[in-house]
Amino acid sequence: DTAVSQTPKYLVTQMGNDKSIKCEQNLGHDTMYWYKQDSKKFLKIMFSYNNKELIINETVPNRFSPKSPDKAHLNLHINSLELGDSAVYFCASSQVTGGQETQYFGPGTRLLVL
Amino acid sequence: KQEVTQIPAALSVPEGENLVLNCSFTDSAIYNLQWFRQDPGKGLTSLLLIQSSQREQTSGRLNASLDKSSGRSTLYIAASQPGDSATYLCAADGNNRLAFGKGNQVVVIP
Repeated sequence: DTAVSQTPKYLVTQMGNDKSIKCEQNLGHDTMYWYKQDSKKFLKIMFSYNNKELIINETVPNRFSPKSPDKAHLNLHINSLELGDSAVYFCASSQVTGGQETQYFGPGTRLLVL
Repeated sequence: KQEVTQIPAALSVPEGENLVLNCSFTDSAIYNLQWFRQDPGKGLTSLLLIQSSQREQTSGRLNASLDKSSGRSTLYIAASQPGDSATYLCAADGNNRLAFGKGNQVVVIP
């Protein structure tokens, strides 16, 4: 069983479109995260949710809107996609906020905006 | 703002040699320091987590040390194998978020 899963794995779309990425974890964790890995492989946190509540929002354009329908899911919706949004987006989860437990990462969603 | 630096950015070693990967961070107020492995086109796999109160952690051939006061961590991989070829990422955890370095890209030559 996959601990943290993301769909889709690949996403190719045109500028200006709206798209969503879904993330699910079956580890029973209470905290979930979205990270962005750019073309230079630099990984940066975007958002963090604890028990469906937003606790971290790192200067991300408001075109990005995370949604957590329940503790096991954290989805990422992106409006009006731009070329610079092309990256790999990773979802992660952990048991305790503050990262005192290790974070478990999904396989990533490779987004290409044309 | 936490900044994490990893040196060297890339290295190649012959199989059997020991690997030493260095990580430095600017803000010593961290909860823990984590080391991850990333294979090409894949997600991150957690290797070791060192709590801020600890000096080191070991798992098999891997040993990670932490010197919080000087803002440094080192990952040692003993007797490297071709399967150790990957990118190794260091992440400092503070203020409820992980700050990552850019990684050490390792190639172990058979």
